Amino acid sequence: DTGVSQDPRHKITKRGQNVTFRCDPISEHNRLYWYRQTLGQGPEFLTYFQNEAQLEKSRLLSDRFSAERPKGSFSTLEIQRTEQGDSAMYLCASSLGPMNTEAFFGQGTRLTVV
Amino acid sequence: EDKVVQSPLSLVVHEGDTVTLNCSYEVTNFRSLLWYKQEKKAPTFLFMLTSSGIEKKSGRLSSILDKKELFSILNITATQTGDSAIYLCAVEAGGANNLFFGTGTRLTVIP
Repeated sequence: DTGVSQDPRHKITKRGQNVTFRCDPISEHNRLYWYRQTLGQGPEFLTYFQNEAQLEKSRLLSDRFSAERPKGSFSTLEIQRTEQGDSAMYLCASSLGPMNTEAFFGQGTRLTVV
Repeated sequence: EDKVVQSPLSLVVHEGDTVTLNCSYEVTNFRSLLWYKQEKKAPTFLFMLTSSGIEKKSGRLSSILDKKELFSILNITATQTGDSAIYLCAVEAGGANNLFFGTGTRLTVIP
């Protein structure tokens, strides 16, 4: 296991289309986080899973966004009816314990909505 | 509202210089402060600080936390071009199971 992996690395989509991203965390990590990062800003928290349970969602996560972690392993983040404002880097992170233990980030999926 | 502020926003130095990056925070129920280095994509962990006045050190990098004045600094001595990156400060606070990030400091080291 070489770390957190995200797929795809880049996604260009037309406004109004749906997109889905995947995150595979480090295998023994039971916590998984999604963050969004726009240019010139630090990452912003979107949502957090402990095993398969989604325990926290940010107000940033509108009803067009949904995340799942069906078997407590990989996670998907879906954005429906994409808007140009959704263009950002979507980062996934995983940790064995709370976020302040050493959390590892994936390389991110860069979404461009045209 | 929880807030993390980093300064400067960007910094250009010559190889060999020493730099100090600042992070101040206003949060409810502070738990820890973390520093990350972000080069191309993924932020990579540098330090976690929970106690005031105890310096954490890793090679040419060091960091310290002041919980009374609500800030932390990250020092890099004898900078190298490979230190060029965005340095992110993040705070874990309250009951939130997530980190609040600052906007980062973009460091550029010129040969």
